[in-house]
Amino acid sequence: KAGVTQTPRYLIKTRGQQVTLSCSPISGHRSVSWYQQTPGQGLQFLFEYFSETQRNKGNFPGRFSGRQFSNSRSEMNVSTLELGDSALYLCASSSGNRHYGYTFGSGTRLTVV
Amino acid sequence: DQQVKQNSPSLSVQEGRISILNCDYTNSMFDYFLWYKKYPAEGPTFLISISSIKDKNEDGRFTVFLNKSAKHLSLHIVPSQPGDSAVYFCAALDGGAAGNQFYFGTGTSLTVIP
Repeated sequence: KAGVTQTPRYLIKTRGQQVTLSCSPISGHRSVSWYQQTPGQGLQFLFEYFSETQRNKGNFPGRFSGRQFSNSRSEMNVSTLELGDSALYLCASSSGNRHYGYTFGSGTRLTVV
Repeated sequence: DQQVKQNSPSLSVQEGRISILNCDYTNSMFDYFLWYKKYPAEGPTFLISISSIKDKNEDGRFTVFLNKSAKHLSLHIVPSQPGDSAVYFCAALDGGAAGNQFYFGTGTSLTVIP
């Protein structure tokens, strides 16, 4: 079955702009989580959505937001981009059972200039 | 505050030898642990997991050991192969929290030398 699909793969934006990233989970998976990966910081949890509701939120400013649609597809939005937002943004889906871990997408590489 | 720590940013091992990757955590509420492997330009892929009710889990060449009293886990790869060269992340799940929030370490880059 198809894996987790993230679009776009690469993105270059200017400081102050906003950006929307998309994630399509594995069919049947209802939980979608977003992580930010930067060198030296590992994967930092942004938020998790389950059945269109935000279930968990990490320690990120309000400029980072997300949503999930009825088909479980999720979008992440970052407003007023800063240089420090340059990172690999990873989306992961799971069935919702907390012990089955995640299946990750390949990520969106965001560069803010 | 980093609740999951991988203190070795990199590790080099000869092909055929054992690779040991270490991970320490601080939160006693963590009750489930996973290891992920990541190649460049790809997302992390699940490797092996262990529940806090166990102290060892094996899957082929990969074994994860958990020492709850020391809040330490390790991943052993025997024998190491060049294809194992990747970044390895350990992750922990908070058993007291709602949802699926995993806490990840910063990763260890493993190089297996042919």
